[in-house]
Amino acid sequence: EVQLVQSGAEVKKPGESLKISCKGSGYSFTTYWIGWVRQMPGKGLEWMGIVYPGDSDTRYSPSFQGQVTISADESINTAYLQWSSLKASDTAMYYCARQGTIAAAGSSFDYWGQGTLVTVSS
Amino acid sequence: DIQMTQSPSSLSASVGDRVTITCRASQSISNSLNWYQQKPGKAPNLLIYAATSLQSGVPSRFSGSGSGTDFTLTISSLQPEDFAAYYCQQSYSTPRTFGHGTTVEIK
Repeated sequence: EVQLVQSGAEVKKPGESLKISCKGSGYSFTTYWIGWVRQMPGKGLEWMGIVYPGDSDTRYSPSFQGQVTISADESINTAYLQWSSLKASDTAMYYCARQGTIAAAGSSFDYWGQGTLVTVSS
Repeated sequence: DIQMTQSPSSLSASVGDRVTITCRASQSISNSLNWYQQKPGKAPNLLIYAATSLQSGVPSRFSGSGSGTDFTLTISSLQPEDFAAYYCQQSYSTPRTFGHGTTVEIK
């Protein structure tokens, strides 16, 4: 069974750093892209970027380029989303999701993590 | 970036109604269009990929159509568990943008 399990909720202060994680299981972690999606309170879904764990190739949305870092550690089947200096506007739910193959899933996000709530407040 | 425009932003419907949600891309995306359902407090769930393909386990009352720039998600007979938010997403190019969502509410 494919599963993506995300790290727990975080409460941080502005200016602090943070790294949240997404551990995959039940499939070949290195051969599927993993993406990150932001959902601010009461708002829609925003595509942030994706990483290919097999070679760490990474693509970012221009809206998030330079604001976050997406990475993966194939040795422990885990992808990461990190911030070096959080802002209050980073308060949101963050989801990781597996990007399926073109043939089997049209490169959609076919499996999702449960979400990690990040709250940034002084 | 490709912009995805969904309409309506919300709708009210009754159980048993036929519901249609549209999504328009700012340029042609062939059939690279996906639909997701999101219930409150839950992660999104894939319904339709490649414009018309039903994801495994999704009820057949959900269907998708379209190609190029104009796409439609149809729920043939709305059920109580279908009251949720629906999002389209293009997977033609990065960033793989989402539409702003459509909330389906109980009339």
